[in-house]
Amino acid sequence: EAQVTQNPRYLITVTGKKLTVTCSQNMNHEYMSWYRQDPGLGLRQIYYSMNVEVTDKGDVPEGYKVSRKEKRNFPLILESPSPNQTSLYFCASSRLTGGAETQYFGPGTRLLVL
Amino acid sequence: EDQVTQSPEALRLQEGESSSLNCSYTVSGLRGLFWYRQDPGKGPEFLFTLYSAGEEKEKERLKATLTKKESFLHITAPKPEDSATYLCAFTGGYQKVTFGTGTKLQVIP
Repeated sequence: EAQVTQNPRYLITVTGKKLTVTCSQNMNHEYMSWYRQDPGLGLRQIYYSMNVEVTDKGDVPEGYKVSRKEKRNFPLILESPSPNQTSLYFCASSRLTGGAETQYFGPGTRLLVL
Repeated sequence: EDQVTQSPEALRLQEGESSSLNCSYTVSGLRGLFWYRQDPGKGPEFLFTLYSAGEEKEKERLKATLTKKESFLHITAPKPEDSATYLCAFTGGYQKVTFGTGTKLQVIP
């Protein structure tokens, strides 16, 4: 089954404790992306990657890091989480063929930073 | 600056009452305009991609249209199961994706 998976699905942590949210896709997609969703603000892009070792900032990259060492995985790293990073996070992937391809989204990770 | 505005923020319809959702955008070099459906607590689910002005796509009770400044999602004779938040998004240059804040649709039996 074609899918994007994220782990963990729910996470409660404390300020300053480094954490990683994993994202994996089994569709051989080149493009992967991370979003956060907050009430009233909608989905905002954090980082995206057009292929292995190629990453770029979205609209809200501050406080986040990403890496793309393998095509299927795109982890999101919070080096020193703060309460304003409490949010619902989505990973997405798509093909990249020169046009605007459909993104497939994961189920989401709900993060609470105390 | 690339931006997108969706209206209305919320819409309540009686079952069978047709209506339209609006997505206005400002982007230099539109590569694609997307419509997604999102149910509470779940990831967005793809509905349509539109690439150029004049293009239309249909799926069951939904029809998406695109002009040079806006897109509409027309819902014909909606059913309660169509209740969801509908998101509009676009890709401009550099493969960044910008989402609107969505229209929350409630269809009353």
